Amino acid sequence: DAKTTQPPSMDCAEGRAANLPCNHSTISGNEYVYWYRQIHSQGPQYIIHGLKNNETNEMASLIITEDRKSSTLILPHATLRDTAVYYCIVRAPLSAGNMLTFGGGTRLMVKP
Amino acid sequence: GAVVSQHPSWVICKSGTSVKIECRSLDFQATTMFWYRQFPKQSLMLMATSNEGSKATYEQGVEKDKFLINHASLTLSTLTVTSAHPEDSSFYICSARGAGGSSTEAFFGQGTRLTVV
Repeated sequence: DAKTTQPPSMDCAEGRAANLPCNHSTISGNEYVYWYRQIHSQGPQYIIHGLKNNETNEMASLIITEDRKSSTLILPHATLRDTAVYYCIVRAPLSAGNMLTFGGGTRLMVKP
Repeated sequence: GAVVSQHPSWVICKSGTSVKIECRSLDFQATTMFWYRQFPKQSLMLMATSNEGSKATYEQGVEKDKFLINHASLTLSTLTVTSAHPEDSSFYICSARGAGGSSTEAFFGQGTRLTVV
């Protein structure tokens, strides 16, 4: 599976949009981009995923560049409860049992 | 989203004893379950992958005789840490996915914090 690069940490003011970048320049054509987050001492929580098109759900929006080499997760109105480590993962559908390989992630701190 | 329940959420055990952690998919059939381990301030590391009814596949460096995985049904997988030692203290997390196609997301349990004293 392709490797991803994320900034180790980011701060965001409460109520503002949080834009979390992810580089995946070696992504293959059949690999999806997944985002998970992990709040302290909990299991990871699925946020959103996409292949080519931008995606939006009740939690976030995912913007994937046209060349698919990078993406941005957008939390439109960050709250204190969004403080967590956010993981960007790219994964091929049938690779090695479909497990998720976690990198370092971005530690997002939402401040009042 | 689908629910994966992990039990217990925390456990303290004496060195040399064994501990069993359960992972259940509550509202879907999990054909594949994954077990991860996470040390403080580190990312999740995959330990093993198990498919229902077959032997687990362990990642390099993970002792299969120490970390026994059983996936006997489509809704339950167990991880048993045998002869636990203080260095086995960690946060153990299971993940499950169904058979819904190539882009099916995986769902995670809430994790089990193991402390070996």
